[in-house]
Amino acid sequence: AQSVAQPEDQVNVAEGNPLTVKCTYSVSGNPYLFWYVQYPNRGLQFLLKYITGDNLVKGSYGFEAEFNKSQTSFHLKKPSALVSDSALYFCAVRDNSNSGYALNFGKGTSLLVTP
Amino acid sequence: KAGVTQTPRYLIKTRGQQVTLSCSPISGHRSVSWYQQTPGQGLQFLFEYFSETQRNKGNFPGRFSGRQFSNSRSEMNVSTLELGDSALYLCASSLEGWGNEQFFGPGTRLTVL
Repeated sequence: AQSVAQPEDQVNVAEGNPLTVKCTYSVSGNPYLFWYVQYPNRGLQFLLKYITGDNLVKGSYGFEAEFNKSQTSFHLKKPSALVSDSALYFCAVRDNSNSGYALNFGKGTSLLVTP
Repeated sequence: KAGVTQTPRYLIKTRGQQVTLSCSPISGHRSVSWYQQTPGQGLQFLFEYFSETQRNKGNFPGRFSGRQFSNSRSEMNVSTLELGDSALYLCASSLEGWGNEQFFGPGTRLTVL
């Protein structure tokens, strides 16, 4: 079975400060990890993914994520937050022990960046 | 390339009715997945289709069904609607391959009265 956990329902950060949105995962096979962002009344937008290779993955809009196999974590980070980063963030996992390409999503973390 | 499109964007139905939602994937994408998003349950996987075959199914009752056509377009149907079916239904498509990300449409907002 595969699953992800996002331990924080909400993260608050001041504009210009670094931000971290946490994600831990559990899989049977090799993990394929993804981060998505959702703005109000919109679908999900892909930010970045980890497949293999470098543990630090860079994605869209200045976001990056660090894959940590020993801690089974894939935290999303950004060095300097913008007010426009305020949105709902989802971590998702897929592992190759299952059939199909379905993603298993975390509950989501609401990020609020204040001016 | 055009993105994933979903029609209609909004639907209002009453209990007991049935509804059909449509999804057109990105050109060249043969995998299409459907998800239900609600405030209480978050994003839940409904089913995935690949080359007109259902490859994977989530834990939903048989009232939820889907299909995929030869052009990869997909439809999902919900029969005998219940109040709890009110949700945002998201469709996503991807290229073949474990490491490929899914691209999501804007969703269909279904309200059941």
